[in-house]
Amino acid sequence: EAQVTQNPRYLITVTGKKLTVTCSQNMNHEYMSWYRQDPGLGLRQIYYSMNVEVTDKGDVPEGYKVSRKEKRNFPLILESPSPNQTSLYFCASSRGKSGNTIYFGEGSWLTVV
Amino acid sequence: SQQGEEDPQALSIQEGENATMNCSYKTSINNLQWYRQNSGRGLVHLILIRSNEREKHSGRLRVTLDTSKKSSSLLITASRAADTASYFCAPIGRTGANSKLTFGKGITLSVRP
Repeated sequence: EAQVTQNPRYLITVTGKKLTVTCSQNMNHEYMSWYRQDPGLGLRQIYYSMNVEVTDKGDVPEGYKVSRKEKRNFPLILESPSPNQTSLYFCASSRGKSGNTIYFGEGSWLTVV
Repeated sequence: SQQGEEDPQALSIQEGENATMNCSYKTSINNLQWYRQNSGRGLVHLILIRSNEREKHSGRLRVTLDTSKKSSSLLITASRAADTASYFCAPIGRTGANSKLTFGKGITLSVRP
C-alpha cells in the first residue's frame, strides 16, 4: 500500500530540546516536502527535496533543518524548538518533479511549551 | 511560489444539495489538482485536471478549468454528511512545478444531515 509515514504523530516537548520528526515513503518518489498547518494560515511549505542530497527552502524554513540521505526518508529537524513552532506538520511526496499526485502523511501534532 | 486561492472560505449546505467551490491562481499552469482534508488528517488527492482540459468528472465530483480566467471550480453533487471537510486547490506551474507549491487556506465545507 502506498504510504507516507510520519513519526511521532503527537509530541509535547520543551523549548530548546532538539527533536526530529521522521518521514518515510514506500513509493520510490523523488520529491518530498514538509508543510506546517496553522489556523487561518493554511498549509505553508517548510522545505522540499527534489532527490537524494538535493534540498531547498520553502516559504517558512526558519528554525528547521532537513536532510535527504536516502530516497525514502526525509526527516525534519528542529534544533532548538520554540513555542511558535507549535503546529501540525505534514510530510508529502510525489513522483518526479512536475504535476504528479502528492501523497501526504497523516500529520504530526507538535506542541512546544 | 504558486498558490491557489480558494473561495468561499466556508460553505454550509444541506445534505443532497450541490456544493460549488472556486479556485483562482496567478501564473500559467501545467495542471491543477484538488485535495480534501478531513479534520486533523492528511490531505487526500481528489482529482487532477490538465491545462488542456476544460472539464473532468470523477464520481460525484466535477471539475472545470478556465485558463483564460485562471480559475477552476469543484462541484460536488448530491452532497453527503461525509463530504464535510476542507478542500484545497493546488495549481502546478510549468517550471519548478511542485518545488514551491504552497496550498491556500482552503474551503471549509459543512454538510448538514
